[in-house]
Parts: sequence; structure tokens; C-alpha cells
Amino acid sequence: EVQLVESGGGLVQPGGSLRLSCAASGFTFSTYWMHWVRQAPGKGLVWVSRISNDGSTTFYADSLKGRFTISRDNAKNTLYLQMNSLRADDTAVYYCGRHWGSGFDPWGQGTLVTVSS
Amino acid sequence: QSALTQPPSASGSPGQSVTISCTGTSSDIGTYNSVSWYQQHPGKAPKLMIYEVTKRPSGVPDRFSGSKSGNTASLTVSGLQAEDEADYYCSAYAGSKNFVFGTGTTVAVL
Repeated sequence: EVQLVESGGGLVQPGGSLRLSCAASGFTFSTYWMHWVRQAPGKGLVWVSRISNDGSTTFYADSLKGRFTISRDNAKNTLYLQMNSLRADDTAVYYCGRHWGSGFDPWGQGTLVTVSS
Repeated sequence: QSALTQPPSASGSPGQSVTISCTGTSSDIGTYNSVSWYQQHPGKAPKLMIYEVTKRPSGVPDRFSGSKSGNTASLTVSGLQAEDEADYYCSAYAGSKNFVFGTGTTVAVL
């Protein structure tokens, strides 16, 4: 079964850092581009970042450049999102997704990041 | 990059059809055949329903269909069923290496 499982979310103070992980199983992780998408409470989906299958190429939403870093470890079948200088408006459920056609499939169950003092 | 525009809500009776629009610009939907649609039930992760405008992933019922004309894409759900009640989001490749999602549409089955 193709599966993605996120972890690493939690409560962090404004200005703090957090690293999210996304463990992949059931497919050849090293052959797929991967994405992060977030969803603030009660709001819509927002694309965050993507990374090439070999990790050499990364792209970010314009509003996040410089604060977030996407990376991957193909030996561990794991995707990461390092988030620095966190703000209250970064509070959201963060999903990882495998690139499929023009979309993302599957998605993980999500991990909640809450930025609050 | 601004979000794609979707109607906030749509509804239909069981067995009827409902169509959701997703309006972008000539820089995203109008240029690329990279439109996807997702279904999201409350508290759950989104599920891919349509990709590359018209294609259905394995396991998605053929009641779901997609189309595109100019800068607007559409998702049609035919033969509405109670389990189709959910939020639906479109997404598109927006050039400059980025993706953009729609504002989301809540579908109610009356």
C-alpha cells in the first residue's frame, strides 16, 4: 500500500523552528517529486514547496522563500520541511504529497503546527 | 500567485449532477493542461479525483469528470450520492515552477 505518514508537528513559539518529516512506503520514493501543502484551520489548501526526485531541485511559494527548506533522504524514504522564524500565520495542518500527473497522490494524514506564545 | 476562484458552495439532490467551476488566468489554467481536483471530507486529507484536466486515478468512480475551456476548469459530479458531500479544491500549475489551489467549494447533497 502506498502510504505517507507525517510527523514533527506541535506547539512552537513565534520565531521558533520546527522540522517536519514525511515517511514514505509502498513505492519507489527516489523516483518521485514530492510536495508540501498546508491548510490553516478552517481555510483552504496552499501549496508550500516541492523537491525533485534526487533532491537537487527545489521550489517554494513566493511568500515562504528564505524561511522554509525542503529536503529529502532517499536512503531513509523520508521527506523533510525545516521551518524557521515561524509566525502565527504559519499555524496549519501540513500535508506531504507525492507528485502524480499534474496533481498530488496520495497525501499523508497531516501534522498540525501551532505557532503561539 | 493568487488563488484560483471557485464558488463557495454548490448543491444537488441524490442522483442529480453538480458542476463546480475553477477560474484562473492565462498564466495558469489557460496555458497548462495541469489542472487537478481534490475531494476533502471533514478532518481528512484531500484525495485526488481528477488530474491533467480529465484523467481519473484508479478507483475514482466515473461519475467524476473534468473539463477545461480557456481560463476555466470544471468538475462535474453525476449521479450525486450522499458520500459526495465534501469540500472540493482545484489546483493548477502556475508557471514559475509553482502550483496554486482554488478557494474551495463545499458540495451539499440535499
